[in-house]
Amino acid sequence: EAQVTQNPRYLITVTGKKLTVTCSQNMNHEYMSWYRQDPGLGLRQIYYSMNVEVTDKGDVPEGYKVSRKEKRNFPLILESPSPNQTSLYFCASRFRGAEGYTFGSGTRLTVV
Amino acid sequence: GDSVTQMEGPVTLSEEAFLTINCTYTATGYPSLFWYVQYPGEGLQLLLKATKADDKGSNKGFEATYRKETTSFHLEKGSVQVSDSAVYFCALSDTGTASKLTFGTGTRLQVML
Repeated sequence: EAQVTQNPRYLITVTGKKLTVTCSQNMNHEYMSWYRQDPGLGLRQIYYSMNVEVTDKGDVPEGYKVSRKEKRNFPLILESPSPNQTSLYFCASRFRGAEGYTFGSGTRLTVV
Repeated sequence: GDSVTQMEGPVTLSEEAFLTINCTYTATGYPSLFWYVQYPGEGLQLLLKATKADDKGSNKGFEATYRKETTSFHLEKGSVQVSDSAVYFCALSDTGTASKLTFGTGTRLQVML
């Protein structure tokens, strides 16, 4: 089944403890992207990648890192999480020439 | 910059009622427009899209027409069902920033029996 898989689905962590949210897609998509969803703000792009080893900042990149060493994987790294990074995170992917992204099921992160 | 404005929710309707969720946009280029739906506890699913002016996107009884003159992409359905209860997001992808979707804030729809 064609899909974007994120792990974990739920995560509670403490301030300052490094964490990684994994994202993997099995559709051979070139583009991958991370969004965070917050009430009243909709979804905002954190980082995106147009292909292996090509990444760039989105609208709200502060406090996040990403890497794209393989086409299928695009992990989101929080080196030192803070409570304002408590949010619902979505990974998404698409082909270069396609319209619209395919989204994962989301990761609900709570930083205490 | 690009932006999308959606009507505030929640929208509460009785089953079989007519639905309209308003969406207007601001973009510098010639955007493609989308409606995504998010069911409780799930990720976003593409509901429909339109890539140029006067295009009509449709899916599962939902429709939206790309109106360049009013910069709008309103979502409509003639007869809603309880199973349509979800959050609906309007979004655009601009030709200048093709890597990114710009989303509205979402509109929660609740359909009652």
